[in-house]
Amino acid sequence: DTGVSQNPRHKITKRGQNVTFRCDPISEHNRLYWYRQTLGQGPEFLTYFQNEAQLEKSRLLSDRFSAERPKGSFSTLEIQRTEQGDSAMYLCASSSGAGRDTQYFGPGTRLTVL
Amino acid sequence: QKEVEQDPGPLSVPEGAIVSLNCTYSNSAFQYFMWYRQYSRKGPELLMYTYSSGNKEDGRFTAQVDKSSKYISLFIRDSQPSDSATYLCAMRQGGSEKLVFGKGTKLTVNP
Repeated sequence: DTGVSQNPRHKITKRGQNVTFRCDPISEHNRLYWYRQTLGQGPEFLTYFQNEAQLEKSRLLSDRFSAERPKGSFSTLEIQRTEQGDSAMYLCASSSGAGRDTQYFGPGTRLTVL
Repeated sequence: QKEVEQDPGPLSVPEGAIVSLNCTYSNSAFQYFMWYRQYSRKGPELLMYTYSSGNKEDGRFTAQVDKSSKYISLFIRDSQPSDSATYLCAMRQGGSEKLVFGKGTKLTVNP
């Protein structure tokens, strides 16, 4: 399978705990994106990387959230001191960045904060 | 007012029907328009991608963009039960990587 992969697929945690998610983009895609999707809503943009550089961050990305892409390949999204409002599907997408290429999404990580 | 408006439905049609889904938007700077299909608890899957105004056809799917009216549509011909999913419109401005999504329309095609 050469699509975007995300791990874990599901995460249940208690309020106040830290969680980390991983995204592996499509091979040779240099752009990587994180979105969050809550029930009944479309995905909302969080941040994106071109190679290892984080170029854009949404105001939704509070200081409890941090994303990294250290070698320009996989990326991690960490949420510190989780709150019940963080419960959502966290989606990763990647694109080649060439011309009018668009974003291809992974299966998502579903986070439940108890 | 949200940048992208999409009727969440739900929409229920019999097998074989023609389905029409649409979105309106307020930002005239949007240039790239997409339709994604999302099955329950899965990631969005790209269906159609259109740049600027015009029509694009791919099999049973036709995407239309009318920038003058700020209105985009997706038509599904000969709908199948396997088309039952949530359909999300998405768009972005030139020079921006941020996709702005509608809420999604939940479609059920009944056999």
